[in-house]
Amino acid sequence: DARVTQTPRHKVTEMGQEVTMRCQPILGHNTVFWYRQTMMQGLELLAYFRNRAPLDDSGMPKDRFSAEMPDATLATLKIQPSEPRDSAVYFCASGFVGTLDKNIQYFGAGTRLSVL
Amino acid sequence: SQQGEEDPQALSIQEGENATMNCSYKTSINNLQWYRQNSGRGLVHLILIRSNEREKHSGRLRVTLDTSKKSSSLLITASRAADTASYFCATDGNQGGKLIFGQGTELSVKP
Repeated sequence: DARVTQTPRHKVTEMGQEVTMRCQPILGHNTVFWYRQTMMQGLELLAYFRNRAPLDDSGMPKDRFSAEMPDATLATLKIQPSEPRDSAVYFCASGFVGTLDKNIQYFGAGTRLSVL
Repeated sequence: SQQGEEDPQALSIQEGENATMNCSYKTSINNLQWYRQNSGRGLVHLILIRSNEREKHSGRLRVTLDTSKKSSSLLITASRAADTASYFCATDGNQGGKLIFGQGTELSVKP
């Protein structure tokens, strides 16, 4: 049963600390997305990758957030330094974007981040 | 900014009743999708309707699309307590795979 795996599921940290969230996309998918979900803002797209290359990271605060795909099986989202306003649930999703024009996204269970 | 806007924001019904959620969007689309999110979980794809389709069914789900009004509706028939979740519409506007999600409708089905 193919699924997107995110770790950790929960993270509590103190302001100023570095946070790294990891995502294993579904094998064969060529596109990986990072989202942030809060009650106030809803679901926001932070960044996404196609074939491991960053396509768009305009939704991400550049000064403290960074997203990478070191290889096809791992995507990372880092926050350094973290701030209380970064508290949210962070979702990774993957999908195959190609000629079939279906573009369905498969979401992981999310990382719930609390920055104290 | 979110393209999709959903209505209502919250809906509470009794088991067995039908639930209808609406979504409006602003620009042209290739397709529109509906996702469900159970509390504490990730979003799960439910159904996709292409821009040249007007209606689609999947089990107890019925989706309609009116591109002239830039709106879609999701109907869940004979609802069950297990349908309690948030429902999101998402539009694919041929922007390199990016989907634009609405704010969601929170559905509560009481047994």
